[in-house]
Amino acid sequence: EVQLLESGGGLIQPGGSLRLSCAASGFTFSGYAMNWVRQAPGKGLEWVSVINGNDDATSYANSVKGRFTISRDNSKNTLYLQMNSLRAEDTALYYCAKGWGATPGGPFDYWGQGTLVTVSS
Amino acid sequence: SYDLTQPPSVSVSPGQTASITCSGDKLGHKYVSWFQQRPGQCPVLVIYQDNRRPSGIPERFSGSNSGNTAALTISGTQAMDEANYYCLVWDSSTAVFGGGTKLTVL
Repeated sequence: EVQLLESGGGLIQPGGSLRLSCAASGFTFSGYAMNWVRQAPGKGLEWVSVINGNDDATSYANSVKGRFTISRDNSKNTLYLQMNSLRAEDTALYYCAKGWGATPGGPFDYWGQGTLVTVSS
Repeated sequence: SYDLTQPPSVSVSPGQTASITCSGDKLGHKYVSWFQQRPGQCPVLVIYQDNRRPSGIPERFSGSNSGNTAALTISGTQAMDEANYYCLVWDSSTAVFGGGTKLTVL
């Protein structure tokens, strides 16, 4: 059974940094691209970033480019999102979502339950 | 950047057919996925590659995509289908979600 478990969220002041993790199980982690998707309170889904299965290609939404860094450790079956220079508008529930294949593209067939990031002074 | 437009809300009576649209420039040239999100839950994939259903998704869910518009159709809508629905496409190496449509079954 595929499982994705996010952690690392919390309350952080504007300008601060936070690192999210997503522990994956139930599939060959290195064989799939992984994504971060966020949802601000009461709002819709916003794609944040993707990394391919081999950890050699990444892409970001314009809203986080230059501030967030996606990475993965295939030996630990874990996805990460390093978030720097956080802003109030980054407040959201952050989901990790499994891609369809090793490269970006295609649907997200499994999602975690999310970890909440609140940016506030 | 690529934009997807969905109606904010759609209403349907139980047992009737609901249609939720997603519009974008030359959308028919891209594969569209659809997600269902019930309150307090994570999104669930209900349609991928325009019209394919993942295992476990009821047959009443179907999809189409042509020209500038994709559509998610729910036949024989049930109360449990009340949720927010989002379309998704990839544009180059970035993913784009539509703004979401709240489906009300009344």
